[in-house]
Amino acid sequence: EAGVVQSPRYKIIEKKQPVAFWCNPISGHNTLYWYLQNLGQGPELLIRYENEEAVDDSQLPKDRFSAERLKGVDSTLKIQPAELGDSAVYLCASSPGLAGGFYNEQFFGPGTRLTVL
Amino acid sequence: KQEVTQIPAALSVPEGENLVLNCSFTDSAIYNLQWFRQDPGKGLTSLLLIQSSQREQTSGRLNASLDKSSGRSTLYIAASQPGDSATYLCAVASKYNTNAGKSTFGDGTTLTVKP
Repeated sequence: EAGVVQSPRYKIIEKKQPVAFWCNPISGHNTLYWYLQNLGQGPELLIRYENEEAVDDSQLPKDRFSAERLKGVDSTLKIQPAELGDSAVYLCASSPGLAGGFYNEQFFGPGTRLTVL
Repeated sequence: KQEVTQIPAALSVPEGENLVLNCSFTDSAIYNLQWFRQDPGKGLTSLLLIQSSQREQTSGRLNASLDKSSGRSTLYIAASQPGDSATYLCAVASKYNTNAGKSTFGDGTTLTVKP
């Protein structure tokens, strides 16, 4: 079974340029997460989807970040315009979600390492 | 607001030693706690998931325990090997209100196992 797929793996852009990241979750997983991870720190949630609905986007800087999950499968995270401080690793994860009162495991993709110059 | 702390930030042990990694959290209203491993430049690999009603989970040389009342979890690694060298992170999924289902991560413990 294929895991969570992310692309690109690496991206280098100039500040003020736009950038987009793509994530394909594990088949059948209803919940999709986008996280930001800075060096030496744990991931921080940007947005969480249950199917196509964004149920938690409180940490997403909405002035420059946007995300979508059309048809409840693939997802795209966009930054426009990028700033120097956006340099980080962007991780996507998926999970079967809530079932029987329990939240299930999260499975992570390899991440996209963004460098803003 | 849930806060997750992992101490120590780094740990170095000789090969073959048994070791314990610690994770503490401030809000005991959780769905589950998950332990991950992260190798340099890689994503996170799930090691063990403990649901809130469980006390421990085991996989091979790994054993994770959960004490919700004290807000603590430990990851026990038996007979450590150089291949166990990585950063280990714990995450708790909050249970109530607007945070329901949200996972909060610690900053991890970086383990080095010396041959």
